[in-house]
Amino acid sequence: EAQVTQNPRYLITVTGKKLTVTCSQNMNHEYMSWYRQDPGLGLRQIYYSMNVEVTDKGDVPEGYKVSRKEKRNFPLILESPSPNQTSLYFCASSPFRDRGGPGEKLFFGSGTQLSVL
Amino acid sequence: DAKTTQPTSMDCAEGRAANLPCNHSTISGNEYVYWYRQIHSQGPQYIIHGLKNNETNEMASLIITEDRKSSTLILPHATLRDTAVYYCIVRVAGRDDKIIFGKGTRLHILP
Repeated sequence: EAQVTQNPRYLITVTGKKLTVTCSQNMNHEYMSWYRQDPGLGLRQIYYSMNVEVTDKGDVPEGYKVSRKEKRNFPLILESPSPNQTSLYFCASSPFRDRGGPGEKLFFGSGTQLSVL
Repeated sequence: DAKTTQPTSMDCAEGRAANLPCNHSTISGNEYVYWYRQIHSQGPQYIIHGLKNNETNEMASLIITEDRKSSTLILPHATLRDTAVYYCIVRVAGRDDKIIFGKGTRLHILP
C-alpha cells in the first residue's frame, strides 16, 4: 500500500532532550516536507527536500534539522526541544515531474503529536 | 504569508451543496489552484486542482473565475463526513516549493 509513515504517533519528552521523528515513503517520491500545526495557525512548513541531499527551509525552520540521505526517508530532528515546539507534526511527499507544471498532489502521514515538558 | 484568503468558517446543511470561496488576487499566470481538506487531526487529503478551466472529479468541482483571482470549491451534496478544514493553496512546480497552506476554512455540515 502506498503510504507515508511517521513514527512515533505520540511523543512526550522533556526540554533539551534530543529527539528524532521519522518519516518514510514507499512511493519513490522526490519531494518530501515537514509541517507543524498549531491551533489557530494552520499548517506551517518547517523544511522541504526536492531530492536526496537537497533540503531547504520552509517558513518556521528555527530549532529543527532535517536530512535526506536516502530518497525514502526524511527525518525531523530536534536537537534541543523546547516547550514552544509542542505541536502536531505532519510529513508529506509527492513526485516531482515537470518544473513549471502543476506539481503533484501531496500525500500526508498520519501525524506525530509531540509534547515537550 | 499565505497567498490565499479564505473565510474562517462556514456552515452547510446536509444534502445541500457546499460552496467554499478562496481569494488569490496575486496569483501569477502559471500558478495552479489546489484544494486539500483535513478531517479532525488526520493528515490533509488532496481534493482537486486546476489552472483556469473548471474541473470536476469524484469528490468535488472547482470553479475558477476568468481573471483567476478567486475560486470556489463545490461539494455537490454535502454529508456529515465532509465536516473538515479546507485549504486552498496556489503553487507552480519548481518555483514555489514552500507550499504554504494557511489557516483554511472550517466547514460544519449541519444535520
